[in-house]
Amino acid sequence: DTGVSQNPRHKITKRGQNVTFRCDPISEHNRLYWYRQTLGQGPEFLTYFQNEAQLEKSRLLSDRFSAERPKGSFSTLEIQRTEQGDSAMYLCASSLEGGAQGTGSGNTIYFGEGSWLTVV
Amino acid sequence: GIQVEQSPPDLILQEGANSTLRCNFSDSVNNLQWFHQNPWGQLINLFYIPSGTKQNGRLSATTVATERYSLLYISSSQTTDSGVYFCAVASGTYKYIFGTGTRLKVLA
Repeated sequence: DTGVSQNPRHKITKRGQNVTFRCDPISEHNRLYWYRQTLGQGPEFLTYFQNEAQLEKSRLLSDRFSAERPKGSFSTLEIQRTEQGDSAMYLCASSLEGGAQGTGSGNTIYFGEGSWLTVV
Repeated sequence: GIQVEQSPPDLILQEGANSTLRCNFSDSVNNLQWFHQNPWGQLINLFYIPSGTKQNGRLSATTVATERYSLLYISSSQTTDSGVYFCAVASGTYKYIFGTGTRLKVLA
């Protein structure tokens, strides 16, 4: 179990460019989440996948944002035509529906190290 | 939606001191987690605790679901405890809502 992996860890891009972040969840986890965090704030929910199905998208996720999870494994988050307001840390998390058997862990979510985006 | 409030917003302690962090939430929840965000931004799981009490070393947590609050206790604090502590709750099965955090600085 290597944990949730995200890359790139840091990305600096010019306004108007497209960026893509990748998340590899913990291997047996069927649930995957994207959150966004700006300085001084708590993480904000962006979207959620159960297996390959995207079941919820936040209003924060404008039309310039798209997320996919082909085959229910890794996920990508693409931001098109980046704006300075997109600068933030993008966090991916995963969980196992029902939790690990017998542990009473419920829907414990595990976060990756995050991908920092700076739009200049 | 659910509102999550954490207090205090900032806390400065001398090494060795004890502290209590509080999380209030506005509606019933069936999932609650405490996280520590280290200076590099990594969110580290501390407790999954929708109800009851748990302990892990110098840390313990209590959630009183009927009164809609949770407490995180840190005893004998160390400089490595510095960072931001977040409470996150979910009333459904998956969508966690985070509080604004408690920023803790432990001085040597």
